[in-house]
Amino acid sequence: GAVVSQHPSRVICKSGTSVKIECRSLDFQATTMFWYRQFPKQSLMLMATSNEGSKATYEQGVEKDKFLINHASLTLSTLTVTSAHPEDSSFYICSARDRVSGNTIYFGEGSWLTVV
Amino acid sequence: AQKITQTQPGMFVQEKEAVTLDCTYDTSDPSYGLFWYKQPSSGEMIFLIYQGSYDQQNATEGRYSLNFQKARKSANLVISASQLGDSAMYFCAMREGRYSGGSNYKLTFGKGTLLTVNP
Repeated sequence: GAVVSQHPSRVICKSGTSVKIECRSLDFQATTMFWYRQFPKQSLMLMATSNEGSKATYEQGVEKDKFLINHASLTLSTLTVTSAHPEDSSFYICSARDRVSGNTIYFGEGSWLTVV
Repeated sequence: AQKITQTQPGMFVQEKEAVTLDCTYDTSDPSYGLFWYKQPSSGEMIFLIYQGSYDQQNATEGRYSLNFQKARKSANLVISASQLGDSAMYFCAMREGRYSGGSNYKLTFGKGTLLTVNP
C-alpha cells in the first residue's frame, strides 16, 4: 500500500535553533499534505495544510513564522520549527492522500522533537 | 461543540473476545468520511477502516468492522477476536466536505480510546 515516510523520527535540538522535518510520499504523488501536532496523551491537532507549489494554509492559532512549511514537490513537504523553544517539544506527524487509491489518508511515522 | 466524541478514555478486553469502541460525530455537511486509526506506543498512525457518508453498507476490513448508524451519528469500531497486539490508542476521525480539492482531506480527531487486551 501507499507509504508516507517522515524523517527524522527523533530529534533533539538546542533552544533557539531551527529544525527541519521531512514528509515524503514514497509511491504516490500528493498535491496536499497535512501537518499535525500531538502532545503526550492527547489527540492530534491539525497545524496546517501544505499545498504543492503554493503557500501553506495554517489553522487558527498556529504561528506561520514559527512553523515554516514548504511543499517543494509532489512527493515532499517539509516543516521547519524556527527558533525552537522547549514548549515546541512535541510529536509532529504528517499525512497525505493517495488520489489513486481513493479515500485512504496515510500518515507518516511521526517525528519526536525535544528542545533542550 | 466537539466534532468527534470518544467517550471511553480506556477499555479492557480479554484476548479472543470482541470489543466495541464508541465514536459519535457532529456535522451538518451531507458529505463526510469517518476513519479509525490505531496508534501504538511508537507513535505511528495505522489506518484501519473508512466509512463514507453515502456508503450503504457498513465497512469491514478483516477483524475490524464499523457499525455506522447515520441517524444517530455514530461510527463505532468493532474489533473481533482481540489479540495482544491490538493494545494501543484508537482514534476516530472525520473528514468533512466533498472530495473537490485536497484540502478536504484534513481530519478532525477524537480524543482517543486506550485499549488494553489482557491475556
